Amino acid sequence: GAGVSQSPSNKVTEKGKDVELRCDPISGHTALYWYRQRLGQGLEFLIYFQGNSAPDKSGLPSDRFSAERTGESVSTLTIQRTQQEDSAVYLCASSPPHRPYEQYFGPGTRLTVT
Amino acid sequence: DAKTTQPPSMDCAEGRAANLPCNHSTISGNEYVYWYRQIHSQGPQYIIHGLKNNETNEMASLIITEDRKSSTLILPHATLRDTAVYYCIVESRGNDYKLSFGAGTTVTVRA
Repeated sequence: GAGVSQSPSNKVTEKGKDVELRCDPISGHTALYWYRQRLGQGLEFLIYFQGNSAPDKSGLPSDRFSAERTGESVSTLTIQRTQQEDSAVYLCASSPPHRPYEQYFGPGTRLTVT
Repeated sequence: DAKTTQPPSMDCAEGRAANLPCNHSTISGNEYVYWYRQIHSQGPQYIIHGLKNNETNEMASLIITEDRKSSTLILPHATLRDTAVYYCIVESRGNDYKLSFGAGTTVTVRA
């Protein structure tokens, strides 16, 4: 079946602009995660959605970052007033019910803030 | 969470089996062993997981020792596309779900 998809695959934006990144999880996966990965670094957890529960936003680095999810489908990650340090690959993952460590990742969105 | 230890790198010949070791001597009874890999410039990819029994899927086999203190991921017929960093992680199925990778093993498959 279809995997996790993300769009756009690449985004170049000017410092101070807002960007919106989209994630389509695997159908039937109740959990959705956003991570950030800077060049040569490990995964940095950003936010977690599980069904209709309140999301875990503990990883969001500042109030410029926000994310929404519609039911158990599409999620958008919004970064307002982008800064150069926001440049990274933003990865979305989803997992089947009750299997939180079996995460399936999308290809990521490479964000470059100039 | 248990700490895992993996060799930093290993080479493997194309077409041969690649055996990737992982030590997790402090693993507790409710913790699972998960393997992921990350191919250069791609997102991480889930491979396999297990608790006590050996597991096999279309990608790999996971052999867990009887005392559960170590495990081996086996890629039965390595191809050049299997070149990646392989991560062994140990987690319980509790409320924490944030994936965190260590340094992993950089596997280079050579023709």
